[in-house]
Amino acid sequence: EAGVVQSPRYKIIEKKQPVAFWCNPISGHNTLYWYRQNLGQGPELLIRYENEEAVDDSQLPKDRFSAERLKGVDSTLKIQPAELGDSAVYLCASSLDRPGTTDTQYFGPGTRLTVL
Amino acid sequence: EDQVTQSPEALRLQEGESSSLNCSYTVSGLRGLFWYRQDPGKGPEFLFTLYSAGEEKEKERLKATLTKKESFLHITAPKPEDSATYLCAVNTNAGKSTFGDGTTLTVKP
Repeated sequence: EAGVVQSPRYKIIEKKQPVAFWCNPISGHNTLYWYRQNLGQGPELLIRYENEEAVDDSQLPKDRFSAERLKGVDSTLKIQPAELGDSAVYLCASSLDRPGTTDTQYFGPGTRLTVL
Repeated sequence: EDQVTQSPEALRLQEGESSSLNCSYTVSGLRGLFWYRQDPGKGPEFLFTLYSAGEEKEKERLKATLTKKESFLHITAPKPEDSATYLCAVNTNAGKSTFGDGTTLTVKP
């Protein structure tokens, strides 16, 4: 079974430029997460989708970050414009959640973003 | 506010030297506690899920335990290939996930 797929794996951009990350979750997983991981820190949740609905985006900097999950499958995370402090690894994860339970999140390899 | 604190930040062991990693948590309504392993340049890889105090799970040289305030990841007779960053995460009844900053384990041959 294929795992979570992310692209690109690496991205280098100039500040103020836009950037987009793509994630394809594990087939059948209804919940999708975007995390940001700074060097030496744990992942920080940016947004969580249940199917097409964003159910938790409280940590997403909405002035410059946006996300979508069309048809409840693939997802795109966008930053516009990028700032130096956005340099980090952006991780996508997915899980198969059922009411009242919490299921394991499976992570993709991440996209390493460098903003110059 | 949910908090997860992992200690120590870094741990260096000789091959075969057993030790434990700690994950202390403060959450409102724990639904599950997860342990992950992360190798450099890769995403976290699932190890264990613990749901209630007193629960224990084992996999090869690793054993995870859970109390009402903390979890331990015990490593017995580690090998160099166990070197990685070990992350602890909690999931709450509200569906929120919070990760600790991890413990970086180095096992010398």
